[in-house]
Amino acid sequence: DQQVKQNSPSLSVQEGRISILNCDYTNSMFDYFLWYKKYPAEGPTFLISISSIKDKNEDGRFTVFLNKSAKHLSLHIVPSQPGDSAVYFCAANAGGTSYGKLTFGQGTILTVHP
Amino acid sequence: NAGVTQTPKFRVLKTGQSMTLLCAQDMNHEYMYWYRQDPGMGLRLIHYSVGEGTTAKGEVPDGYNVSRLKKQNFLLGLESAAPSQTSVYFCASSYFRDTQYFGPGTRLTVL
Repeated sequence: DQQVKQNSPSLSVQEGRISILNCDYTNSMFDYFLWYKKYPAEGPTFLISISSIKDKNEDGRFTVFLNKSAKHLSLHIVPSQPGDSAVYFCAANAGGTSYGKLTFGQGTILTVHP
Repeated sequence: NAGVTQTPKFRVLKTGQSMTLLCAQDMNHEYMYWYRQDPGMGLRLIHYSVGEGTTAKGEVPDGYNVSRLKKQNFLLGLESAAPSQTSVYFCASSYFRDTQYFGPGTRLTVL
């Protein structure tokens, strides 16, 4: 039972254009969402997060949008740079007694071409 | 400030052998986690700890044991390794429910 899904295994984008990565979830108890970025042979690094009380959060070139009614979130990267090429994971937390436990999606491989 | 470190980086085991993976963090975080990453599966939580001396099961705990004798260390043990435990293992820590910081990973192959 995959509670967090990233349906696009890969995405290819030209440098300077927008990258949009999508994530869907099924558990209505999730109230905090995060995006992590992972380079080969390294651990995931935190990118940006959003609480369920918001529908948008920005940090520089990165913006996360949350649509609670559709149980969908997306990560926008504008403009995309070759150094953004990595695997992107979305993750969700249910709050309460979940003790910060994260449920991850399968990941999307982003390739930004110069 | 090293953040989260993991030992070893690589290991090859034969079926039935045992081993312990060590995770250490120097950020004084209360919570620590062990995940495994498999192709097409994302990261899945094995066990976690909400403080020194505490441990709890995650999503895929079978075949693993953990201990948190010191706040800064979280050990993951495989008592009798199986090929299905071939994976990349990541440790993470967080200040309570805050952002999790990950180690560089341990690549384990069980033959």
